[in-house]
Amino acid sequence: EVQLVESGGRVVRPGGSLRLSCAPSGFKFVDYAMSWVRQAPGKGLEWVSGISWNGGRTGYADSVKGRFTISRDNAKNSLSLQMNTLRPEDTALYFCARAYGSGSYRSYFDYWGQGTLVTVSS
Amino acid sequence: DIQMTQSPSSLSASVGDRVTITCQASQDISNYLIWYQQKPGKAPKLLMYDASNLQTGVPSRFSGSGSGTDFTFTISSLQPEDIATYYCQQYITVPLTFGPGTKVDIK
Repeated sequence: EVQLVESGGRVVRPGGSLRLSCAPSGFKFVDYAMSWVRQAPGKGLEWVSGISWNGGRTGYADSVKGRFTISRDNAKNSLSLQMNTLRPEDTALYFCARAYGSGSYRSYFDYWGQGTLVTVSS
Repeated sequence: DIQMTQSPSSLSASVGDRVTITCQASQDISNYLIWYQQKPGKAPKLLMYDASNLQTGVPSRFSGSGSGTDFTFTISSLQPEDIATYYCQQYITVPLTFGPGTKVDIK
């Protein structure tokens, strides 16, 4: 059974940093691209960042470019999102999602985690 | 960036009704269009891919159509378990973008 378990969300002050993690299981992680998608309270879905199967290609939403960094460790079966210079508008539930297909993150999401909540507030 | 719009933003229908949601892209996305269902407090669930293909295990009362910029998602006979918000997503180009969602509930 495919599972994605996010962790690392907490309350952080504006300007602070946070690192989110996603632990995949039930599939061969190295075969899939991955993404982070977020959802602000009561709002819709926003793609944040994606990474190819081998980490060679990454992409970011304009709203986080230069502040967030996605990475993966295929040997340790882990996905991360380093979030710096956090703003109140980054407050959201952050989902880890598996990208369907050939290993490119330019795809859609066939499995999602349950999310980890990040709250940016003073 | 490709902007996705959806209409209506919300609807209320009776059990057994046919429900239709539309999604429009700001430029041609061919059939690179996805539909998700999100129930309250849950992660989104993939329902349809490439505009008209039903994901494995999804009931056949769900269907989709369209190509280019205009797409339609239909529930042929609304069931109580279909109460959710439905999102479209394009994946022809990055950044990947979602529609704002359509909230469906029972009248």
